[in-house]
Formats: sequence, structure tokens, C-alpha cells
Amino acid sequence: EAQVTQNPRYLITVTGKKLTVTCSQNMNHEYMSWYRQDPGLGLRQIYYSMNVEVTDKGDVPEGYKVSRKEKRNFPLILESPSPNQTSLYFCASSSIFTSEYEQYFGPGTRLTVT
Amino acid sequence: QKEVEQNSGPLSVPEGAIASLNCTYSDRGSQSFFWYRQYSGKSPELIMFIYSNGDKEDGRFTAQLNKASQYVSLLIRDSQPSDSATYLCAVNKGGAGSYQLTFGKGTKLSVIP
Repeated sequence: EAQVTQNPRYLITVTGKKLTVTCSQNMNHEYMSWYRQDPGLGLRQIYYSMNVEVTDKGDVPEGYKVSRKEKRNFPLILESPSPNQTSLYFCASSSIFTSEYEQYFGPGTRLTVT
Repeated sequence: QKEVEQNSGPLSVPEGAIASLNCTYSDRGSQSFFWYRQYSGKSPELIMFIYSNGDKEDGRFTAQLNKASQYVSLLIRDSQPSDSATYLCAVNKGGAGSYQLTFGKGTKLSVIP
């Protein structure tokens, strides 16, 4: 079964305390992405990765870091979280066949920064 | 001008009718376009993509693309209550096979039994 897992699903933390949200996929996809979803602002891309060790910024990368050391994992790192990073975060895994697009989202991580 | 614009709705249609969801985009160089369905409290789900002008059909869904008018639409035929969800339009700023996506804010669809 195609699956994208995220952990934790819910997290309440305090300003400045480093945290990592993990994302893992079992489909051998090359492409992985992180998004945040906020009321009134919609879904926005934070970072994406086209393959191992290849990452690039999306539309809202400030305050986030990512790494792609293994094909299946794409963690999102908040080194010094701030309240404006309170959001619903989605990881997505995608194929890169040029004529057929296939993309799966994880279940989401709801982060609250106080 | 916002990059990707959608009418936020809610759009209400009776069961069995055609639901028409519209999206306009500002980057004329965009090459591929996506429609997602997101049920309340759930993750987005990719339901259609299109990169050529014209229509693309998949079951009850038809995506329509007009690059000259910078317009993408999604038609849902024989709408069912289970189609009630928020539909997100996304535009790919990258080349073929990429997912450098900019999303609209979504249109909430309600199918009335």
C-alpha cells in the first residue's frame, strides 16, 4: 500500500525549542515536498527535493531546513520555532515520470508554537 | 494579481448536476496544472492533472485548460454528496516531472442530496 507517514501528528512546543518533523515514503519516489496550510493563505510549498542530496526552496522557506540523506526520508527541521510557524504541515511524495503525475500526501502534522 | 485565483465558494449544486470549478493563473509560462480534493480534516488528494490545451477526462471528472486565457477548470458530472469537499487548483512553475506548486486557496463544494 502506498504510504506517506509523518511524525508526530500533533505537537505543541515553545518558542526557540528545536524540533524535527519526520516524513517517510514507501513508494521509491524521487520527489518529496513539504507544505504548510494556513486558514486564508491556503497550501504553500516550503521545500522540495528532487532526489537524494538535492533540495531547493519553495515559496516560504524562511525558518525551515530540510535534508535528504535517504530516498525514503525527508525530515523538516525548525531550528528555532516561532509562533508564526504554528500551522498544519503536510509532506508529499511524488513520481517524476514526465507524462504521468502521481503524488501522495501524508496525514499532516499540526504544530502549535507558544 | 494573485498567482492562482479560485472562487472560495461555497459552491452548492444539487445531486446529479454538473459542478464547475474555475481557476485562473498569472504566470503565462506555467506548463502543468493540478486539481486536488481535500475533505475536511484530511490531506489533499491529487485527482487530475493537465498540461495540454483542451479537455482531459477521467471518469466523472473533466479538466479543461486554456493557456491563452490562463484558465483551468474542473467539471464534475453527476455530482454526488461524497464530492462535497474543498477543491484546490495548483500551478506548476517547474518543468515536466517537477512539483514546484503554487496553490489557489480552494473552492468549497457542497453537493445537496
